Amino acid sequence: EAGVVQSPRYKIIEKKQPVAFWCNPISGHNTLYWYLQNLGQGPELLIRYENEEAVDDSQLPKDRFSAERLKGVDSTLKIQPAELGDSAVYLCASAGGSSSGANVLTFGAGSRLTVL
Amino acid sequence: AQRVTQPEKLLSVFKGAPVELKCNYSYSGSPELFWYVQYSRQRLQLLLRHISRESIKGFTADLNKGETSFHLKKPFAQEEDSAMYYCALNAGGWDNLFFGTGTRLTVIP
Repeated sequence: EAGVVQSPRYKIIEKKQPVAFWCNPISGHNTLYWYLQNLGQGPELLIRYENEEAVDDSQLPKDRFSAERLKGVDSTLKIQPAELGDSAVYLCASAGGSSSGANVLTFGAGSRLTVL
Repeated sequence: AQRVTQPEKLLSVFKGAPVELKCNYSYSGSPELFWYVQYSRQRLQLLLRHISRESIKGFTADLNKGETSFHLKKPFAQEEDSAMYYCALNAGGWDNLFFGTGTRLTVIP
């Protein structure tokens, strides 16, 4: 079991450039989360999917951030255009497998974004 | 609104000493509380959840609804316990998981 897979692990871009992060959740996990983690802070939810439906995107800055989970499996988080303040770690997590329980999240390794 | 407070950003204890990482929450309903841990160069992972009432790696945490706390305790700290610890609150059902700001525990040999 590879766990939750995220790519890229690291990304450095200049401000105003676009960036995209990809997440492959654990097989069978219907719930997928994108979290933002700033330095010295805990993870903060950006968006939660139940299968392909975004059931909570209230914290997603929709002017520049977008996400999709078209087939209810993989997900992509995009920022366009990126700003300096977007530098952070973007965490993907999944939940819902019978072995772990509905509310137990399994996290990926994260994608660290640096905006110059 | 839901909130999780971890008052200590940094906590250092000597090996073999007891350790307590504090967590207080704010939620009017029936919460589900978790402790997640992130060891150096590893991903964030579940340590324990209050409904399991388990002891994981010697750690325990009791939900105190009167004090709205879920402190993490271990009687004898080990060097391998050095990590970042996050308390998290699930405000019912399939709702979102709210994290505290974390406490970095350092166990001094």
